[in-house]
Amino acid sequence: GESVGLHLPTLSVQEGDNSIINCAYSNSASDYFIWYKQESGKGPQFIIDIRSNMDKRQGQRVTVLLNKTVKHLSLQIAATQPGDSAVYFCAENMGGQNFVFGPGTRLSVLP
Amino acid sequence: NAGVTQTPKFQVLKTGQSMTLQCAQDMNHEYMSWYRQDPGMGLRLIHYSVGAGITDQGEVPNGYNVSRSTTEDFPLRLLSAAPSQTSVYFCASSPLGMRSGNTIYFGEGSWLTVV
Repeated sequence: GESVGLHLPTLSVQEGDNSIINCAYSNSASDYFIWYKQESGKGPQFIIDIRSNMDKRQGQRVTVLLNKTVKHLSLQIAATQPGDSAVYFCAENMGGQNFVFGPGTRLSVLP
Repeated sequence: NAGVTQTPKFQVLKTGQSMTLQCAQDMNHEYMSWYRQDPGMGLRLIHYSVGAGITDQGEVPNGYNVSRSTTEDFPLRLLSAAPSQTSVYFCASSPLGMRSGNTIYFGEGSWLTVV
């Protein structure tokens, strides 16, 4: 999930497999993080969040892991389904209500 | 419950023309913001507002104006469109003081092309 300029990195997974999407965040002072899903032609949708006093948080079929030492965030999707195909991106926050968004990773689910 | 409504969905402008992207929310949120999204890049903050009568600049404010005369509406104005403003624009709103992802609502986006 690293930025490669104008081209979004793509992760292709087989339906039913687990997906891991990565994000490197920029500011060590960030203490709140969100993962968003964006389907084609739509606005971002909230998936899961995590605060810096945690290193793992689980939701329904999704898990977010936070490694503050290396400023790394990951999103794990269990049993990936065709409906999971979308662009996923992380957002970081250092306080206040403005967020810094990553460029995203395109997840493609293969039948 | 409409949430955040953006209009228009699609627009083509000629260089130098002006236009306004409309954003309205019906959740009585104090905080509203505008982002642009370009290929391979994350959302970048253009302007934001923490309440009626209050606006502030984000990361990429040049070429854009905003106003917040009511809690519900936060229009984004392009004063003299340039091809570099070709982008997808998203409006977002949230309650003030709540830093929680599930209280941030995004509109569906406005696709703007400047030729």
